[in-house]
Amino acid sequence: DGGITQSPKYLFRKEGQNVTLSCEQNLNHDAMYWYRQDPGQGLRLIYYSQIVNDFQKGDIAEGYSVSREKKESFPLTVTSAQKNPTAFYLCASSRRRGRRDEQFFGPGTRLTVL
Amino acid sequence: EDQVTQSPEALRLQEGESSSLNCSYTVSGLRGLFWYRQDPGKGPEFLFTLYSAGEEKEKERLKATLTKKESFLHITAPKPEDSATYLCAVVYISNFGNEKLTFGTGTRLTIIP
Repeated sequence: DGGITQSPKYLFRKEGQNVTLSCEQNLNHDAMYWYRQDPGQGLRLIYYSQIVNDFQKGDIAEGYSVSREKKESFPLTVTSAQKNPTAFYLCASSRRRGRRDEQFFGPGTRLTVL
Repeated sequence: EDQVTQSPEALRLQEGESSSLNCSYTVSGLRGLFWYRQDPGKGPEFLFTLYSAGEEKEKERLKATLTKKESFLHITAPKPEDSATYLCAVVYISNFGNEKLTFGTGTRLTIIP
């Protein structure tokens, strides 16, 4: 089955720790995205990548970092510099570069800071 | 300011009671609009893409339409399994000349048996 997987489903972080969220896709999609979802707000773009070894900041990149060493993988690191990291994190991919292609989402990771 | 607004925020319907959800936008250079369904604690599931005013798409009990200012998601004779949050997302050309995608905050739909 083709799709997007995210792990872990739930993640707990102590203040001051960095944590890495995994995102893998086997759809052979070029572009991948990370979003953050908070109650009462629309999805907000953190980072995106349209090709291997290249990525761009989205609207709320501060306190986050990413890498795109393989086409299938786009991990997100939430650093200690992110002041309010508790949220639901969603990874997505689209077949081609550019925003006009529909994006397909993974199941999400819920991060809680203790 | 570029905005995407969904209304109502929440909607409760009896099973079989048809209605519509609205997604209005104030952007220039619309390039496309997406509808997604999201169940609690899960990622959004893609439903439709609309690219130009007048376009319509249908899937089972759902029908999406697009005008120059808004999109409607019509739900006909809904069933309890249609209960979910419905998100719209708009692709447009920003003031800086690049393509952007902005999500609305969603409409939480509850179908009562």
